Amino acid sequence: GAGVSQSPRYKVAKRGQDVALRCDPISGHVSLFWYQQALGQGPEFLTYFQNEAQLDKSGLPSDRFFAERPEGSVSTLKIQRTQQEDSAVYLCASSRDSYEQYFGPGTRLTVT
Amino acid sequence: DAKTTQPPSMDCAEGRAANLPCNHSTISGNEYVYWYRQIHSQGPQYIIHGLKNNETNEMASLIITEDRKSSTLILPHATLRDTAVYYCIVRVTNTGNQFYFGTGTSLTVIP
Repeated sequence: GAGVSQSPRYKVAKRGQDVALRCDPISGHVSLFWYQQALGQGPEFLTYFQNEAQLDKSGLPSDRFFAERPEGSVSTLKIQRTQQEDSAVYLCASSRDSYEQYFGPGTRLTVT
Repeated sequence: DAKTTQPPSMDCAEGRAANLPCNHSTISGNEYVYWYRQIHSQGPQYIIHGLKNNETNEMASLIITEDRKSSTLILPHATLRDTAVYYCIVRVTNTGNQFYFGTGTSLTVIP
């Protein structure tokens, strides 16, 4: 079946621009996670949704980062006034249960 | 969640078993050991997880020591496509708990 999809796959933004990254989870998966992966590092947790409720946003690095999942399916990660340090791969994962998380291919964001 | 320690890199000859170690000396009784891998430019992929007993699936085997302070992921017959970064994670299995990935072990399978 279809896996987790993310769009766009690549995004180049000028410093100060706003960006929106989309995640389509596997159908029926209740849980959705966003991670940020800097070059050469492992993924780091940003935020977590259970259905439409954002239950944990402790990993969001600043108030410029905002995530939503209004209907409990598709999720959008928005970054306002992008900075160079925001350059990274943003990964989305979904889960049906408490065990496996299925990851999308990620969106590579480059801020120039 | 407990922290893990992995060697930064390893090599393995194609066709041989790859044995990837992980130390998790502060693991709690209710924490599982998970292994994920990440092939270049892809998202992490689940491999296997376990609590106390050794586990095997079509991809790999997971050997957990009796005191649960360390584990080994075994890829029985490594292929070039197994070249990836392998992450060992310990985690309380509870809805909403994120994974703490660390920096993993970069495995290179050599022809």
